[in-house]
Amino acid sequence: AQTVTQSQPEMSVQEAETVTLSCTYDTSESDYYLFWYKQPPSRQMILVIRQEAYKQQNATENRFSVNFQKAAKSFSLKISDSQLGDAAMYFCAYRSWSGGNKLVFGAGTILRVKS
Amino acid sequence: DADVTQTPRNRITKTGKRIMLECSQTKGHDRMYWYRQDPGLGLRLIYYSFDVKDINKGEISDGYSVSRQAQAKFSLSLESAIPNQTALYFCATSALVGSDTQYFGPGTRLTVL
Repeated sequence: AQTVTQSQPEMSVQEAETVTLSCTYDTSESDYYLFWYKQPPSRQMILVIRQEAYKQQNATENRFSVNFQKAAKSFSLKISDSQLGDAAMYFCAYRSWSGGNKLVFGAGTILRVKS
Repeated sequence: DADVTQTPRNRITKTGKRIMLECSQTKGHDRMYWYRQDPGLGLRLIYYSFDVKDINKGEISDGYSVSRQAQAKFSLSLESAIPNQTALYFCATSALVGSDTQYFGPGTRLTVL
């Protein structure tokens, strides 16, 4: 079974600075998707970014980018120019290419942004 | 209006009571999911459905049941609620094809006393 590990329960960043959230996963599959979801205090789950494992290029969405290291099974999220609105819980998630499209989530990282 | 809605948003109930959480979507998606969120555990899959006639157990289905009344509606039931079912519950939907990105509802906070 696949597992997703987020080793940082909490992180802090100064406004306008850059922060990287870590995520590792365990799988024997070669094709899969990886996601980062954001959960602000409103508790809504918001998709931040997604990466297909067959793509070597790292995904980017505005200030959010990933460092996808397939061999190392690592999928970190970099937030540049951090803003107060980035404060939230961030979840890393894995989805198999096959096997029912189920998401496997990590435990989450709380990101605090200091002004 | 929100694409995925959940009712109720918050609910307090007592041990042994039957409770139903409802999910509706206007995204036209075939696939629907129920997750449970607990502190330190992330979200875990309870049940999922790929169409009205297809229901599948997830990682933690014991103590729960579901009903897919229509393509747009997917309900989660706790037949006899217990305190360790206190959690935040999310419904999600995804398309049959394409990226299959899951879109989440706003969540239901359930407290079982």
